[in-house]
Amino acid sequence: EAQVTQNPRYLITVTGKKLTVTCSQNMNHEYMSWYRQDPGLGLRQIYYSMNVEVTDKGDVPEGYKVSRKEKRNFPLILESPSPNQTSLYFCASSLAGGVGWDYTFGSGTRLTVV
Amino acid sequence: AQKVTQAQTEISVVEKEDVTLDCVYETRDTTYYLFWYKQPPSGELVFLIRRNSFDEQNEISGRYSWNFQKSTSSFNFTITASQVVDSAVYFCALSEAEAAGNKLTFGGGTRVLVKP
Repeated sequence: EAQVTQNPRYLITVTGKKLTVTCSQNMNHEYMSWYRQDPGLGLRQIYYSMNVEVTDKGDVPEGYKVSRKEKRNFPLILESPSPNQTSLYFCASSLAGGVGWDYTFGSGTRLTVV
Repeated sequence: AQKVTQAQTEISVVEKEDVTLDCVYETRDTTYYLFWYKQPPSGELVFLIRRNSFDEQNEISGRYSWNFQKSTSSFNFTITASQVVDSAVYFCALSEAEAAGNKLTFGGGTRVLVKP
């Protein structure tokens, strides 16, 4: 089954403790992206990757890091999480960058930072 | 700059009523795509429709219909004869040819509550 898999689904952590949210897709998609969802704001793009070793900032990149060492994986790293990073996170992929492609979203990761 | 506005934050209806969700967008691009997603209480995003800027035909899929009007920059979504299973948050989103990062710009979402 074609899918984007995020782990974990739920995570509660403490301020300052480094964490990684994994994202993996099995569709050989070139493009991957991370979004965060906050009430009233919809989803906002954090980082994106057009292909292996090619990543760039989205609209809200502060406090996050990403890497794209393999085509299928695009982990989101929070080096020192803070309470304002409490949010619902989604990973997405599409066949290629550029407009017009369908996106496949992961099931989401609900992160709470206390 | 691209922007999507969903003015209705929450709509409550009784089952079998029709409900229309408004979506107004701003873009300078001539080539763009509009999307609707459903987010049920379980939290995942369910794709409903994608429409490109050159296709203004309205679309119907079962109880769902969409009205795209470039003249008013709107892409409204109607659920006919609503059911309890339609209770969810619905997002409208915009993807532009010129936007960096293949970004989807989302509206704030409209929560629909269908009461039995």
